[in-house]
This record gives sequence, structure tokens and C-alpha cells, in this order.
Amino acid sequence: EAGVAQSPRYKIIEKRQSVAFWCNPISGHATLYWYQQILGQGPKLLIQFQNNGVVDDSQLPKDRFSAERLKGVDSTLKIQPAKLEDSAVYLCASSFGRGQDTQYFGPGTRLTVL
Amino acid sequence: GENVEQHPSTLSVQEGDSAVIKCTYSDSASNYFPWYKQELGKGPQLIIDIRSNVGEKKDQRIAVTLNKTAKHFSLHITETQPEDSAVYFCAAVVGSNSGYALNFGKGTSLLVTP
Repeated sequence: EAGVAQSPRYKIIEKRQSVAFWCNPISGHATLYWYQQILGQGPKLLIQFQNNGVVDDSQLPKDRFSAERLKGVDSTLKIQPAKLEDSAVYLCASSFGRGQDTQYFGPGTRLTVL
Repeated sequence: GENVEQHPSTLSVQEGDSAVIKCTYSDSASNYFPWYKQELGKGPQLIIDIRSNVGEKKDQRIAVTLNKTAKHFSLHITETQPEDSAVYFCAAVVGSNSGYALNFGKGTSLLVTP
């Protein structure tokens, strides 16, 4: 079974530029999550999708971050404009359903904002 | 919201010894407690989980205990091996209409020396 795929693996940009990350979840998984992991900390949820609808985006900085999952499969997370404090690893995870279903994580995208 | 505290932040043991990592949580409604292992450059991987109706669960060298009254849970690794070296995260989940986000601790960096 293929795992969660993410691209790119690494990205370096200057502040105020924009950047986009892509995620392809495990086939058949209805729920998709984006987490932000700052160095030395645990992942923090940014947004959760159930199929193509947003379930929870309460911790997403909506003035600069946006995410979509148009066809209920792949998802894109965008930052525009980026700030220095956005430097982190962005992790995508998916699960079969909601509740206590195991969340499977991708390898992440390491973003450096200069 | 849920607050998860994890200790210690670093742990060094000799091969063959046991390792114990402890976590506390704040929300008494939390009902699912997974543990993740994260190796360098990879996403977190579930190693064991426990639900609120169970006090202990074991899988080969790994065990988890849960004390709901005290609101703490622990990971026990016996007969540690060098390949157990990684960062371990505990998490707590509170279900709600808005979803089931994982609330992570800050992680424990485990080093197993031969």
C-alpha cells in the first residue's frame, strides 16, 4: 500500500514570497490533515478535511494560509505572503475516517523562509 | 483546548535497558492516546495507541499505560535497541463535531547507545 505522498520535500524562499505544497493521501482515505511542525516541537494541526469539505480550520492563519481539496483526493496548502516564522516542516496526514482512526503521515515538506 | 505535557525532553539509555516516557493531558474528555515515532527526515509513524476504556496495552517490546483519574499515560520500551533511537511523541485526541485533531506533546529524543 502506497503511503502519503508530499512534494516538494524542501523549499527555500524569501519572506513575502508565496509557496505551495501538495499532498496525495492514501487511496480511499476520506480525511486529510495538514500539520505544521516547528523545530523541536510536536506537530500542530492547521486544517482538517473530510472528503472535500473543511472540518476544522480554527488554527489556520487565514490571512496568509489557504488550503483546498477540490475533488476530495489531493490537497494543496498555500502560504502567501510567507513570514520568517513560517519556517517549519509541513506534514500531511490521512485517515480512513474520522474519530480514532489511525492517522498516517507523509514525509513532510521542509520550508525555510529567509 | 487540550494541553499535552511530555517528559523527559531527552533520554539516553544503554542497549538492553528500558526507557519510559511520560505524558499528562488536561482535557478529561480526551479518549484516544496514540504514540508516534519520528526518525530524522521522516514523518511520524504510529507505534502503539490506547483508548480510554483500557488501562494497559502491550505489543512485543512496547507497552502503554493509561491512568484516566490522574490524566497521565506512559510509553515503556523494554530491551532497547539502537534502532529505537528517534523522537517519540505522545498525543491526545478529543472528539467533537469539529473533528478529531491530534494534540501532540513536544517530543522526547531517545538515544540508545550500544
